[in-house]
Amino acid sequence: QKEVEQDPGPLSVPEGAIVSLNCTYSNSAFQYFMWYRQYSRKGPELLMYTYSSGNKEDGRFTAQVDKSSKYISLFIRDSQPSDSATYLCAMRRDDYKLSFGAGTTVTVRA
Amino acid sequence: ETGVTQSPTHLIKTRGQQVTLRCSSQSGHNTVSWYQQALGQGPQFIFQYYREEENGRGNFPPRFSGLQFPNYSSELNVNALELDDSALYLCASSLGGYADTQYFGPGTRLTVL
Repeated sequence: QKEVEQDPGPLSVPEGAIVSLNCTYSNSAFQYFMWYRQYSRKGPELLMYTYSSGNKEDGRFTAQVDKSSKYISLFIRDSQPSDSATYLCAMRRDDYKLSFGAGTTVTVRA
Repeated sequence: ETGVTQSPTHLIKTRGQQVTLRCSSQSGHNTVSWYQQALGQGPQFIFQYYREEENGRGNFPPRFSGLQFPNYSSELNVNALELDDSALYLCASSLGGYADTQYFGPGTRLTVL
């Protein structure tokens, strides 16, 4: 069983829809949670970084962490074609190593 | 866009050869981590360097080795290349510490034939 599970999709939504992405994890030692966006043939770009359980909002993006359920989510409101990318969840313990999900490929249709 | 740069952009090698990939970290960052991303997968941690010392290693064989220089730039060396080494190699720089955030470069795409 992988430490971090993420549905690879693909996910296709119309422009303006809410995109909902999630990951589950098995290691309760994970303390820091991140979402990265990766465009084709590019490096991952940090979108959201959270530490505690609860919600964190940044513009059109909302990250949720539920440590009791070992479940994290990312919501993208008012999605745009420019949001079409692969979204990677990542998490780490109180050390150096990031553990990533496999990534979910999202297409926003104009 | 981050200040992390990597070279070369693409590389083609044959099985058994050796390769060196390079990374320049973002200004002010003293920590560099290397990841391997196979097609359709998330990045897998290879190792991290902090102030020129290896600070941790993932489940990769010893033929994957690295260096960090006094200016905090870094190299990843892979010996005896195998077909499965074909992947996107990413480096990420950070300030270090428990709450550090890693910023990724664009990656080097390695193809092993």
